Amino acid sequence: KAGVTQTPRYLIKTRGQQVTLSCSPISGHRSVSWYQQTPGQGLQFLFEYFSETQRNKGNFPGRFSGRQFSNSRSEMNVSTLELGDSALYLCASSLTQHSGANVLTFGAGSRLTVL
Amino acid sequence: DAKTTQPNSMESNEEEPVHLPCNHSTISGTDYIHWYRQLPSQGPEYVIHGLTSNVNNRMASLAIAEDRKSSTLILHRATLRDAAVYYCILRPYGSGNTGKLIFGQGTTLQVKP
Repeated sequence: KAGVTQTPRYLIKTRGQQVTLSCSPISGHRSVSWYQQTPGQGLQFLFEYFSETQRNKGNFPGRFSGRQFSNSRSEMNVSTLELGDSALYLCASSLTQHSGANVLTFGAGSRLTVL
Repeated sequence: DAKTTQPNSMESNEEEPVHLPCNHSTISGTDYIHWYRQLPSQGPEYVIHGLTSNVNNRMASLAIAEDRKSSTLILHRATLRDAAVYYCILRPYGSGNTGKLIFGQGTTLQVKP
């Protein structure tokens, strides 16, 4: 079956612009999470969506937002881009929400460069 | 959330077994132990998980200490393709937690031919 698909894979923006990243989860997966990966901070949790509702949020400013559609596809948006937002943005999907045994499947990521 | 401690880096020779340790002394009784790895230029990939008993799958084995304060990921025959950053993560049982993983720095495994 198809894996987690993230688009675009690479993009370049300038400071002050905004960006929207898209994630299509594995068919049947209802939970979608987003992560930011930078060399300095490593992998950090951004937020999680389940049934179109944000269920968890990491420690990021309000410029980072997301949403989930009825088909479980998700988008994340970063407004007023800063140089420090340059990172690999990863999306992960999983089947159910209520279990610590739940396994996440990650996409290949969207590499954002802010100039 | 309970934390994990892993060595920053390890080296192995190809086709030899590799034992990647993880300490989690503050683990709670309902925390699952998960391992993910991240190959260069890819997203993290699930490897294995367990709660109390040792676990085996096609990729690796997970040995969990009796007191659950530590665990070891075992790659039985390392290949060059196993060179990656390996993350040991604790996942609590309960609603609202399953999409959130707390990644540490992980262990960078280098495999020599």
